[in-house]
Formats: sequence, structure tokens, C-alpha cells
Amino acid sequence: TQLLEQSPQFLSIQEGENLTVYCNSSSVFSSLQWYRQEPGEGPVLLVTVVTGGEVKKLKRLTFQFGDARKDSSLHITAAQPGDTGLYLCAGLNSGGSNYKLTFGKGTLLTVNP
Amino acid sequence: GAGVSQSPSNKVTEKGKDVELRCDPISGHTALYWYRQSLGQGLEFLIYFQGNSAPDKSGLPSDRFSAERTGGSVSTLTIQRTQQEDSAVYLCASSWAVNTEAFFGQGTRLTVV
Repeated sequence: TQLLEQSPQFLSIQEGENLTVYCNSSSVFSSLQWYRQEPGEGPVLLVTVVTGGEVKKLKRLTFQFGDARKDSSLHITAAQPGDTGLYLCAGLNSGGSNYKLTFGKGTLLTVNP
Repeated sequence: GAGVSQSPSNKVTEKGKDVELRCDPISGHTALYWYRQSLGQGLEFLIYFQGNSAPDKSGLPSDRFSAERTGGSVSTLTIQRTQQEDSAVYLCASSWAVNTEAFFGQGTRLTVV
């Protein structure tokens, strides 16, 4: 069974601070996705990283995929209250069941004005 | 419709009753997924439909759970003889094909009392 450990589980910071969320596994994934989920809504895809060592930037968000494709991080610079939400990482299985996403438990981020 | 639509948004049922949850995927999407999100847990894969292929039911937690997809479009997840541990948010997602971006619905919050 492939597992994704996400940390921290909860994060409360002030507007303007930087933060990093981590997603770790002992398994190799063919790709890793980051989602953001707001209350009462489904997750919305932010980014997909595919290549080991890959770095992608989305405005103030920087996503990195580990060289061994087992871990990933999400860094937010100068957080804003609009960044508040549940951030989920999800790994796409390799091999036959390459449609199954294995999700971490999520990081609940609160950015206070 | 513009996005994945799920109904009902909320469902409260008595223990032992059967429930049906509906998912209308984005038109033209061949892949459809059901996930379950419990409090404090990540999303848990339940079942996957792809075109006319046999569905992957490996994530269904017990034989009380079943799902079907009629005409390659609408899907229904049925839970028989509901138990309190079935209380969760049930999320449906669809994608144009396997390994393409999955779009999630807003979910059905099921509460078994």
C-alpha cells in the first residue's frame, strides 16, 4: 500500500509570512499533484510535477518534486488570507493502476490578516 | 454542465437505511472516479470507471457499497444498510481520459445517525 505523509497537519500564520508544506513517501510515484480545497467544495488541481527534481512556480507558490520521485514540497511566499484552505498532495500510482491517486491527509492553512 | 455535479449536497439518514448518491460528470469525460473523505483523513479511492471497461472496484470498503455508471455518463453510488462509520464526504471526479486532469464535484456530505 502506497502512503503519503503530509506535514504539518495544521498551520496558522500571519499575512506576509512564508511557509513550506511537505509530502513524503517511501514509494515512488509516476507523478505528484497538489490540490487546494475550500470548505464545501471539491479539491482543485494546482499543479502536477512529473520529473524528479522538477520545480514549478505558480505566482507565489513553488512546487518541487524530489529527485527520487518519492517526496514533494509546496512553498508559499508572502502568504495572503486568500491562500487559506486545505492543501492536499496526491501521488499517481505507477504500473497497472495508473489512474489511482493516493492522497495525503492534507495541511489546513490559515493565513490571518 | 460546466462542471461535475453531485446530488444531494447533504444527506442525513438513519442507520440501516439505503442511500443513493448521484454524480453527473463533465460531458465527454470518459473517466469517472469516486473518493471518500472522512474527518481527519485524506481522500480514499473507492471506484473507477473508464469508458466501457470493467470498473476497478478495489477501493469499495465492503459489499454494502456498489456503484454503476449508465450510458457512460451519470454514476450512482449506493450504500446499503448504512452504518455510522459511513459518515463522510463522498466526492466524484471526472477526466477526459486516464492521466489527464481530474475535476472534482463539490461532494455529498453523508451523515448517518
